[in-house]
Amino acid sequence: AQTVTQSQPEMSVQEAETVTLSCTYDTSESDYYLFWYKQPPSRQMILVIRQEAYKQQNATENRFSVNFQKAAKSFSLKISDSQLGDAAMYFCAYRSAEGVSEKLVFGKGTKLTVNP
Amino acid sequence: SAVISQKPSRDICQRGTSLTIQCQVDSQVTMMFWYRQQPGQSLTLIATANQGSEATYESGFVIDKFPISRPNLTFSTLTVSNMSPEDSSIYLCSAGAGAYQLFFGSGTQLSVL
Repeated sequence: AQTVTQSQPEMSVQEAETVTLSCTYDTSESDYYLFWYKQPPSRQMILVIRQEAYKQQNATENRFSVNFQKAAKSFSLKISDSQLGDAAMYFCAYRSAEGVSEKLVFGKGTKLTVNP
Repeated sequence: SAVISQKPSRDICQRGTSLTIQCQVDSQVTMMFWYRQQPGQSLTLIATANQGSEATYESGFVIDKFPISRPNLTFSTLTVSNMSPEDSSIYLCSAGAGAYQLFFGSGTQLSVL
């Protein structure tokens, strides 16, 4: 079974600075998807960024980018120019592309605090 | 994209009672998923709801405790039966939107006294 590990229960960053959240995963599959979701206090799960395992190029969405290291099974999220609205729980998630199921396996999450 | 409406958004229930949570998607989807998020924890998949067939439950979750209905391609319900304080959690519905992402409802905050 696949597992996702987020080793940083909490992180903090100063507004306008850069922070990196770590995620590692374990799988025997070669084709899969990886995601970062943000969960603010409203409980809504918001997709931040996604990466297809077959793509070598790291995904980027505005201030958010990932460092995907397939051999190392690492998928870190970098937030540049941090804003107060970035404060939330961040979950890394894995989804197999080798079956019909679309279910996600989540890490335990990292609570990000942004200091003004 | 898909918009998922989930209700109720929160409820306080007495132990021994049951609560049914509804999830409505604004487009037809093949799979719908129900997750549980215990206080301060990550999301754990309860079951996958497929239209026209029995739901598929993950290890540790059983149909008698969490019966699920999926009458059509846009709607599902999750019932939390015979509740105890240990069932106090956020319950989230999600649905696939193609290969790349799942969309989530805004969750149901359940407190059991």
